[in-house]
Amino acid sequence: DTGVSQDPRHKITKRGQNVTFRCDPISEHNRLYWYRQTLGQGPEFLTYFQNEAQLEKSRLLSDRFSAERPKGSFSTLEIQRTEQGDSAMYLCASSLDRENYGYTFGSGTRLTVV
Amino acid sequence: LAKTTQPISMDSYEGQEVNITCSHNNIATNDYITWYQQFPSQGPRFIIQGYKTKVTNEVASLFIPADRKSSTLSLPRVSLSDTAVYYCLLDTGGFKTIFGAGTRLFVKA
Repeated sequence: DTGVSQDPRHKITKRGQNVTFRCDPISEHNRLYWYRQTLGQGPEFLTYFQNEAQLEKSRLLSDRFSAERPKGSFSTLEIQRTEQGDSAMYLCASSLDRENYGYTFGSGTRLTVV
Repeated sequence: LAKTTQPISMDSYEGQEVNITCSHNNIATNDYITWYQQFPSQGPRFIIQGYKTKVTNEVASLFIPADRKSSTLSLPRVSLSDTAVYYCLLDTGGFKTIFGAGTRLFVKA
């Protein structure tokens, strides 16, 4: 296991199109997180899964955003009807279900909406 | 809002020790102090975590005074490859870790 994998690394899409990103966490990690990061800012929390259950969503996650984690393994983040403001780096992280060991982040998917 | 305050940027030279201080006046009893490093176009990487006193690993040391209202990340003998953004944050082991804008460290030759 080489860490958290995200696919694709880069995505350019036209405004109004739907996009889907995939995250494969470290296999023994049952917690999975999605963050969004814009240039010059720290990552912003979007949503959190414990196993297959989505336990928390940020208000940043509008109705156009949906995330799933079927079977508690990989996760997908879908953005419908993309807007230029959705352009950002989308980061996935995973961690063990125990306190205070930090997160392991993937390298992210950079989305550009044109 | 981030619960920590840290300098926006710092400059250093190769071979020097770098200390980045973070303020967290409202730290809670359950909060651990955690530092991440981020290079451009990569996700943050966990560096070190501590609750009190001093923690050291192969990469850095973390100094936490008794009142825990601040902490200092110490990077010994930095190199050019340590140029990155460093985030200080409080982690309760929960699910909603909040990142601030971080400290941009620039190491010069």
